[in-house]
Amino acid sequence: ETGVTQSPTHLIKTRGQQVTLRCSSQSGHNTVSWYQQALGQGPQFIFQYYREEENGRGNFPPRFSGLQFPNYSSELNVNALELDDSALYLCASSSEQADYGYTFGSGTRLTVV
Amino acid sequence: AQSVTQLDSQVPVFEEAPVELRCNYSSSVSVYLFWYVQYPNQGLQLLLKYLSGSTLVKGINGFEAEFNKSQTSFHLRKPSVHISDTAEYFCAVTRYSSASKIIFGSGTRLSIRP
Repeated sequence: ETGVTQSPTHLIKTRGQQVTLRCSSQSGHNTVSWYQQALGQGPQFIFQYYREEENGRGNFPPRFSGLQFPNYSSELNVNALELDDSALYLCASSSEQADYGYTFGSGTRLTVV
Repeated sequence: AQSVTQLDSQVPVFEEAPVELRCNYSSSVSVYLFWYVQYPNQGLQLLLKYLSGSTLVKGINGFEAEFNKSQTSFHLRKPSVHISDTAEYFCAVTRYSSASKIIFGSGTRLSIRP
């Protein structure tokens, strides 16, 4: 079975621009979560999608938005990028049958300059 | 609300020595507990998880953890570490809910000295 795949692996954007990060969930997983990991910190929950609906959100502004597609892949969109948005963005997938065994991707390293 | 405290930001140990990484959690409801490892420039890999049953949980790479409900702790241990164990380790909790987020601690950097 394939794991969680994220693209791109690295990205450099200018302050004020918009960015889209992509995630393919593990086969059989219908839940996708996104996390932001700033340098030297633990991952912080952004939001979660279950069967194409957002069903949980962390303390992030509305300029962070997402989508989940019928094949359970997902996108994270960030508008009006700020320097503090520079971080590793991690996607994790799971399912009810996975016993909370969240599978994480390798992440997208976003640098905002 | 849940929270996780990892008591040590860095733990240096010599190769083949035992190690314990400490984790305490706070929650008003029952939770599941996890330890994840992050190698440099990589994502998170699940080491082990506690869902229910035996309080001693064995994971990959020779690691184990013990759930202590009275002390709200979930410390990670390994009897003999190797250079390859050098990484960042994260303790995490989540509620009993399919919509529940994972709350991570701030991480412990394990550095192994030859």
